[in-house]
Amino acid sequence: NAGVTQTPKFRILKIGQSMTLQCTQDMNHNYMYWYRQDPGMGLKLIYYSVGAGITDKGEVPNGYNVSRSTTEDFPLRLELAAPSQTSVYFCASRELAGGVYNEQFFGPGTRLTVL
Amino acid sequence: AQTVTQSQPEMSVQEAETVTLSCTYDTSESDYYLFWYKQPPSRQMILVIRQEAYKQQNATENRFSVNFQKAAKSFSLKISDSQLGDAAMYFCAYRRAQGGSEKLVFGKGTKLTVNP
Repeated sequence: NAGVTQTPKFRILKIGQSMTLQCTQDMNHNYMYWYRQDPGMGLKLIYYSVGAGITDKGEVPNGYNVSRSTTEDFPLRLELAAPSQTSVYFCASRELAGGVYNEQFFGPGTRLTVL
Repeated sequence: AQTVTQSQPEMSVQEAETVTLSCTYDTSESDYYLFWYKQPPSRQMILVIRQEAYKQQNATENRFSVNFQKAAKSFSLKISDSQLGDAAMYFCAYRRAQGGSEKLVFGKGTKLTVNP
């Protein structure tokens, strides 16, 4: 299994541009998450999904959108990029069985810079 | 709102020695989960150890163990026989056990350096 994969690894955007961060998992996990990690900080939850067609806001959803059309994919869309969105973005997933105690598996992250 | 505090921005340890990383948290919940994650320079987040609040016994995973003090809301990580590969950022995290519990609340992290 490849686990959780994210593309791209790095990206530089200009203010006002848009982009989609891709996330795919091959573990058939129901739950998927998007986090951002600002310099010197822990991760903060942007959005999450409990299954295909179901998404919900996390702690810092403003400026982002998500969709979940399949179990495997959970793309994160940035509209009108702003310098405040410069961060490292992590996608994660976990299986449903066993409840919230289950480990979240993280992707390698995408480093985004908005200039 | 729940908060997680890691009061040590940086720590260092000699190879083969023991180091303890501190974590305190604030919550009004009685049932919750606590985690320690390791983030090496590769940025990959790796679960090190986890603890259920209703379990009094401290969790252990090989060289990693925790000291969970529920009344004091403290959850420290002890690394024994430190190895060069243990060098990383370590994050303490909290999650509620009940509804609305999809959010992991992270501390700001502690950077651990292992000296040969």
